[in-house]
Amino acid sequence: QKEVEQDPGPLSVPEGAIVSLNCTYSNSAFQYFMWYRQYSRKGPELLMYTYSSGNKEDGRFTAQVDKSSKYISLFIRDSQPSDSATYLCAMNTGGTSYGKLTFGQGTILTVHP
Amino acid sequence: GAGVSQSPSNKVTEKGKDVELRCDPISGHTALYWYRQSLGQGLEFLIYFQGNSAPDKSGLPSDRFSAERTGGSVSTLTIQRTQQEDSAVYLCASSLEATARRSGYTFGSGTRLTVV
Repeated sequence: QKEVEQDPGPLSVPEGAIVSLNCTYSNSAFQYFMWYRQYSRKGPELLMYTYSSGNKEDGRFTAQVDKSSKYISLFIRDSQPSDSATYLCAMNTGGTSYGKLTFGQGTILTVHP
Repeated sequence: GAGVSQSPSNKVTEKGKDVELRCDPISGHTALYWYRQSLGQGLEFLIYFQGNSAPDKSGLPSDRFSAERTGGSVSTLTIQRTQQEDSAVYLCASSLEATARRSGYTFGSGTRLTVV
């Protein structure tokens, strides 16, 4: 079993829809949680970062962490065709002095006009 | 440069040949990471550099894989005697701070390696 599980999709939604992306994890030592967006043939770019449990909002994006359930989510409101990409969750323990990340498989999202 | 630069962007090689992949991180970034992304898989950690030393190389899949970093800057990932299962996108990332949790990494666009 992988430490981080993420449904690869693909997920297809109409423009303007609310998108929910999720990951589950097994390592209770994970404390820092991130979402990366990756466009085709590009490297991932950091979208959201959260520490421990709770919510964080940035524009149309909201990240949620539920450490008791070992479950994290990314919500995208008013989705746009430009949001079409692969979304990767990532996390690390914070217990070490460096930033090695464990990633989910990524969810492919298509937002059609 | 403005971003993390990787070369070549694409590499096709014959099984059994050696390949070198290059990463030029953002100037001043002391931490450098190599990851591998295979079809349908997430990013798989390979190795971490802090300066020129590699405190964690636990993700290197076999002794055919090696990496070095010189001058606290450019890094080279070498794969010897390539196998078809080595086909993947090899991504390099750098960060200003070692933890990279708040700022995140800056990734390059990767080298797409195909072993035929």
